[in-house]
Amino acid sequence: AQSVTQLDSHVSVSEGTPVLLRCNYSSSYSPSLFWYVQHPNKGLQLLLKYTSAATLVKGINGFEAEFKKSETSFHLTKPSAHMSDAAEYFCVVSGGTYKYIFGTGTRLKVLA
Amino acid sequence: NAGVTQTPKFRILKIGQSMTLQCAQDMNHNYMYWYRQDPGMGLKLIYYSVGAGITDKGEVPNGYNVSRSTTEDFPLRLELAAPSQTSVYFCASSYSPASYDTGELFFGEGSRLTVL
Repeated sequence: AQSVTQLDSHVSVSEGTPVLLRCNYSSSYSPSLFWYVQHPNKGLQLLLKYTSAATLVKGINGFEAEFKKSETSFHLTKPSAHMSDAAEYFCVVSGGTYKYIFGTGTRLKVLA
Repeated sequence: NAGVTQTPKFRILKIGQSMTLQCAQDMNHNYMYWYRQDPGMGLKLIYYSVGAGITDKGEVPNGYNVSRSTTEDFPLRLELAAPSQTSVYFCASSYSPASYDTGELFFGEGSRLTVL
């Protein structure tokens, strides 16, 4: 069975400060992990993905995530938040089945 | 290359009406999915398909039906609409969800459905 837990439903940061969005996963298989971003009233866009290659994954717009098997975590980070980063972020796990399992999302607010 | 195209973008239904949400992809992906998104609940899988002629239920299939007669199209049918089906619906596709290099999901822009 697979599951994913996003540990924070809301995160607020000031513009120019670091962003940390936390994601823990559970998987009976070797997982593939993804982060998606959804801006208001828009579809979902892929930020980055991990698929058994390098554990530190770089994505678009300066985001990166580190796969830590021992901690079953895949936290999303960005060194410096921008106003345009305000959105909802979803952590997703897949692998071994045809299904992708979504977390409940983290809403990121960026304060000026 | 249009990616995943969903129609309509918005629709209001009366209780008991039926409708079909259309989804088409031009990436030759075998795997296609329908999700619904309710506020604060993330995305829930309604139905999925691993190829033409093959469909299966997801987490929340009740009140919905699908068909997959071609690789490109994966319509979602709502029968006897109920207020509980008010939601945003997303269609997605991928090339390889379970192999070594799991492909990412490509999403349509969503269909916002209101049942009154």
